[in-house]
Amino acid sequence: QKEVEQNSGPLSVPEGAIASLNCTYSDRGSQSFFWYRQYSGKSPELIMSIYSNGDKEDGRFTAQLNKASQYVSLLIRDSQPSDSATYLCAVRPLLQGAQKLVFGQGTRLTINP
Amino acid sequence: ETGVTQTPRHLVMGMTNKKSLKCEQHLGHNAMYWYKQSAKKPLELMFVYNFKEQTENNSVPSRFSPECPNSSHLFLHLHTLQPEDSALYLCASSQLTDTGELFFGEGSRLTVL
Repeated sequence: QKEVEQNSGPLSVPEGAIASLNCTYSDRGSQSFFWYRQYSGKSPELIMSIYSNGDKEDGRFTAQLNKASQYVSLLIRDSQPSDSATYLCAVRPLLQGAQKLVFGQGTRLTINP
Repeated sequence: ETGVTQTPRHLVMGMTNKKSLKCEQHLGHNAMYWYKQSAKKPLELMFVYNFKEQTENNSVPSRFSPECPNSSHLFLHLHTLQPEDSALYLCASSQLTDTGELFFGEGSRLTVL
């Protein structure tokens, strides 16, 4: 079982709709969860972090965490073509030390005008 | 200069060459990282340095040799690489806290002929 799993996509969403990106993780003791956005040819950029169960909203982005289900998601409301990118889920596994950040393979998102 | 800067941005080398990648962070962070990003694979952690001391070597072949002279600078020395080492090498930095987010540089795209 992969430590962090994401559907690689591609995920196509019409402009203005809600894009929903999902991620599951294997280490039940994980405490910190991050979503990064990576445009083609660029480096990953942190867009959301979440540490406790529930929802965290920042502008058009909402991160959702369910530790019991070992599941974290990212919702993008009012999707724009500029949101087209690969979205990386990252988890800090408790058992591997505070600094190791494990990444999923990423989900490629395309917003269609 | 702001954030995390990496040089060179692109590097082409033969298998017998010796080259180095450089990273500098201007964020006042105390931890620095090297990650490798290959096509269709998750980001792979290579090395972690805390206060210029190496704390993690993720089973990286000895043809990759890191150096961290201080908390702001990180190098990756390359020698006798293989074509499968061609990838995007990303430097990142963070604060040493349990919730410390990673901030990435733009990466060095390496091609080994």
